[in-house]
This record gives sequence, C-alpha cells and structure tokens, in this order.
Amino acid sequence: DTGVSQNPRHKITKRGQNVTFRCDPISEHNRLYWYRQTLGQGPEFLTYFQNEAQLEKSRLLSDRFSAERPKGSFSTLEIQRTEQGDSAMYLCASSGGTRYQPQHFGDGTRLSIL
Amino acid sequence: SQELEQSPQSLIVQEGKNLTINCTSSKTLYGLYWYKQKYGEGLIFLMMLQKGGEEKSHEKITAKLDEKKQQSSLHITASQPSHAGIYLCGADTSLGGGSQGNLIFGKGTKLSVKP
Repeated sequence: DTGVSQNPRHKITKRGQNVTFRCDPISEHNRLYWYRQTLGQGPEFLTYFQNEAQLEKSRLLSDRFSAERPKGSFSTLEIQRTEQGDSAMYLCASSGGTRYQPQHFGDGTRLSIL
Repeated sequence: SQELEQSPQSLIVQEGKNLTINCTSSKTLYGLYWYKQKYGEGLIFLMMLQKGGEEKSHEKITAKLDEKKQQSSLHITASQPSHAGIYLCGADTSLGGGSQGNLIFGKGTKLSVKP
C-alpha cells in the first residue's frame, strides 16, 4: 500500500528564488490538501483540491503561492520570490471523497530560506 | 474562528505509566482527529471521533469525545518508548453538514517516555 509521497524532502534556497514541491497522493484518493507547519505549531491549512478543482484557499496563501493538480493526480505547490518567512515544513495530505474520511499525510518537504 | 487548545504542552513519563492528553475546542466538534508525529516527519492518523460520548481504542491508546462535543482526550495505557512523539488533535471546521476537510490543529503535545 503506497502512502502519500512528497518530493523533495528538503529544499534549501536563497531568498528571492522560486521553488516547487510535488505531492503524489494515495492513488484512490480524490481529495488533496496542502498544509504548512512551523516549529512548535500544528499544521495550518493552505489549500484543497477535489480531483483537479481547487475548491478552497486559505488567506495564508499569498499571491506568491500557487498550487495545481492537473488531471486530478499529483499536485505541485510553487512559491515565487521566496522570503525568510516561507521557511517551514510543507505537508501534503489526501483522503477519500466521502464524509469524514481521515486525511493521510506525507512526510513533508522542509524548506529553508538562506 | 475555531481554536483547539491542547494540554499539557509536553509530558515526560516513565515507561509503563499511564497518561492523558486533552484537546479543548472553542466550538462544537463535528469531526475530531488524533494524529501522531515524529520530529521531521509527517502525521500518522490514529483515530477519528464524531459522536458525543464516543470512545475508540487501538492497542493501548483510547480516545474519547465528551457528550457536549467540545473536549477530547487521548489516553495511553502502560506507555512504551515507541509511544514517544508529538500528538496532535485536528478538527473539521465545517458545520456538521459535510466535511470539506479543512482541518485546524492544536499546537501538539510532546510526549517523552523514559525507559
């Protein structure tokens, strides 16, 4: 049983650069979520897809952030013109489409901005 | 907006001891999820509670949701070093009409188990 896969696991970049993360959900899951987690905090919701449609975005998702899920399979999260405050763990989760299905998380991508 | 408060923030117990972690919500809980996280890794789903008074167990871990659906507890019996990690409660923010999946989380409780 393949879980949620995220790549890369770690990303170190200079301020101002663009970065892109990838998430491959559990194959039969049609819902996909992105969260951000900083040290000592719980994950904070960023955005959510049902199949290929992006249905909800948090206020945390500034204009520099964009997420896609072409064909309703894998998803990418891009951050443009990275800032120091973007340093965090970016977590992806997926779930089935019926009510109250638990979300299953990947191991995250840790982003460090120099 | 809904907020989840977890207590205690951290806990150190001797192996074999029982412990309880609490999660209190500022609003009614319609779906309460417990997760475990090891440092630098993702969240592992433990249990989900929906109904007031509901209780679920898996191995040595028991989770309960109170009748008023504003507080949940996670109880570990006879703790082992493998139980160490960060325990997070998460809540569905929709108003009970159907889960959109936008979970909010508490800040977590860090559990250390001394052999």
